Amino acid sequence: SQTIHQWPATLVQPVGSPLSLECTVEGTSNPNLYWYRQAAGRGLQLLFYSVGIGQISSEVPQNLSASRPQDRQFILSSKKLLLSDSGFYLCAWSVSPRAGNTIYFGEGSWLTVV
Amino acid sequence: EDKVVQSPLSLVVHEGDTVTLNCSYEVTNFRSLLWYKQEKKAPTFLFMLTSSGIEKKSGRLSSILDKKELFSILNITATQTGDSAVYLCAVEKGGNKLVFGAGTILRVKS
Repeated sequence: SQTIHQWPATLVQPVGSPLSLECTVEGTSNPNLYWYRQAAGRGLQLLFYSVGIGQISSEVPQNLSASRPQDRQFILSSKKLLLSDSGFYLCAWSVSPRAGNTIYFGEGSWLTVV
Repeated sequence: EDKVVQSPLSLVVHEGDTVTLNCSYEVTNFRSLLWYKQEKKAPTFLFMLTSSGIEKKSGRLSSILDKKELFSILNITATQTGDSAVYLCAVEKGGNKLVFGAGTILRVKS
């Protein structure tokens, strides 16, 4: 069966420091991968998605970047965090590329920028 | 601009009550509508709806989609305290991208 791992679970970082959140999927190959952010009291916002190694699409302009160095690894990064980057970050995957596939989420990472 | 609107934003009920959660959407290139339950961390999948008028059911939960009126409802009968969570509605566009609503916070009191 497929599993998705995301870490770290919680992170407190000062403004201006770098960020790296990692996500790996096991039990499947060539998944679609996603990074979502959930601000307090709001729905999930899609930040990045990837359909293959090195292929990243950004949905909203922001202070973050994403990379996919391996088929089942997805990394969310920032060179200098802003206070507004605080939130709950969720990695997710789906079987590509057919429509109607369920998206499955990792456990999430709570980021607090202070 | 794509949008998914859920209502109510929050509600409090007593155990045994029946609740109906609403989700309306305006999304280009609609593929499917999904419901998720989010407790403390990751949303967990409940239903995927692609066709109008066909009810999906799982225990005390059920959901239906109306593609003409662009909405879906999620019903929970005989609510229990374990149903307390945020319920998220999401619409899948082309490319497996999901547009989420803000969620409905449900609290079930014993």
